[in-house]
Amino acid sequence: NAGVTQTPKFQVLKTGQSMTLQCAQDMNHEYMSWYRQDPGMGLRLIHYSVGAGITDQGEVPNGYNVSRSTTEDFPLRLLSAAPSQTSVYFCASSYRDGEQYFGPGTRLTVT
Amino acid sequence: SQQGEEDPQALSIQEGENATMNCSYKTSINNLQWYRQNSGRGLVHLILIRSNEREKHSGRLRVTLDTSKKSSSLLITASRAADTASYFCATSYKQAGTALIFGKGTTLSVSS
Repeated sequence: NAGVTQTPKFQVLKTGQSMTLQCAQDMNHEYMSWYRQDPGMGLRLIHYSVGAGITDQGEVPNGYNVSRSTTEDFPLRLLSAAPSQTSVYFCASSYRDGEQYFGPGTRLTVT
Repeated sequence: SQQGEEDPQALSIQEGENATMNCSYKTSINNLQWYRQNSGRGLVHLILIRSNEREKHSGRLRVTLDTSKKSSSLLITASRAADTASYFCATSYKQAGTALIFGKGTTLSVSS
């Protein structure tokens, strides 16, 4: 099993550009989440999904969109990137309320 | 706002010593989890303790949970240099159990 994979590993965007961070898992987990981590901080929840076709907002959803068309994939879209979105983004998946499996992260810089 | 708050923020010890980290949270929980993160990499799950459990062990890890005080502690015994990492506690977002709320973490440095 590859577990949770994220692409790209690194990305630099200019303010106003859009992009999609990819996340995929091969463990048939129902639940998937996106987090961001800023220096010296813990992870903050952006959006999460309890299954295909169902998503909900987390603590810091503004500026991000998600969709879940399949069990395996949970992409995160930045519609108009801002410097405040410079961060490391982690995707995770889990069974219900069990342990979460994290991807390696995407380091995003917005200039 | 973040649900869990770890204490201390940073901890430096020698190899062989024990390390204790504490976590306080605000609302009622189904379970509480501890994770480790090495140098900005992805988080690794360490242990999960359910709200009806008071203590749990896994190898050199011991976790306690006091729901009356809304607090948990993680004890790492006989620390090694490889334990150097950031440690986070996490609880469920909206009690749904589908996503987590993390504290800011404790940075542990173990020197040889």
